[in-house]
Amino acid sequence: DGGITQSPKYLFRKEGQNVTLSCEQNLNHDAMYWYRQDPGQGLRLIYYSQIVNDFQKGDIAEGYSVSREKKESLPLTVTSAQKNPTAFYLCASSQKGGGTSNTGELFFGEGSRLTVL
Amino acid sequence: GESVGLHLPTLSVQEGDNSIINCAYSNSASDYFIWYKQESGKGPQFIIDIRSNMDKRQGQRVTVLLNKTVKHLSLQIAATQPGDSAVYFCAEKESSGTYKYIFGTGTRLKVLA
Repeated sequence: DGGITQSPKYLFRKEGQNVTLSCEQNLNHDAMYWYRQDPGQGLRLIYYSQIVNDFQKGDIAEGYSVSREKKESLPLTVTSAQKNPTAFYLCASSQKGGGTSNTGELFFGEGSRLTVL
Repeated sequence: GESVGLHLPTLSVQEGDNSIINCAYSNSASDYFIWYKQESGKGPQFIIDIRSNMDKRQGQRVTVLLNKTVKHLSLQIAATQPGDSAVYFCAEKESSGTYKYIFGTGTRLKVLA
């Protein structure tokens, strides 16, 4: 089935460690996104990428990094510089980065919950 | 368990009744809107979308209404079922080439048996 796969579903990290969350999509979508979800808040954009080898910072990029070496993948690294990394992380993709000729619908993965010990 | 949604407004509905969930959007330039359903510990699922050239759109048991004058969006669920219990949130977007989706904080729907 086509979709977005995130792994791991649960991850524990010690303070000072970097961790990488995986996101793979087989929808042939050009655009991919990482969001952070915290209780009582709407989804906040960390990074997005509209094309291979290109990505842009979102609203809360500090302490995070991404790479887009393949169309299918946008791994997110949570670095030790991120002061409050405990959260639910969601990866998403869309047909285009925001063009007018497509639905614009965002497809989401099942999420990864990161807990800092 | 999943902590998302702990402090959200809650709508409690009797099974079989209709549910109406509301969303006020923020950007006057937004012309594309989506409703998502999110169950505990899972990613959001697409329910229905609507473009600004429409006031109403219907799906299976769901209807989205758009009032651009007051920047208001609503989701109506007919004959609410226990499986409809989840957090529902809206998203808005300008379709003119931008990447930016703006998400609401969500409403928790509880279906009472």
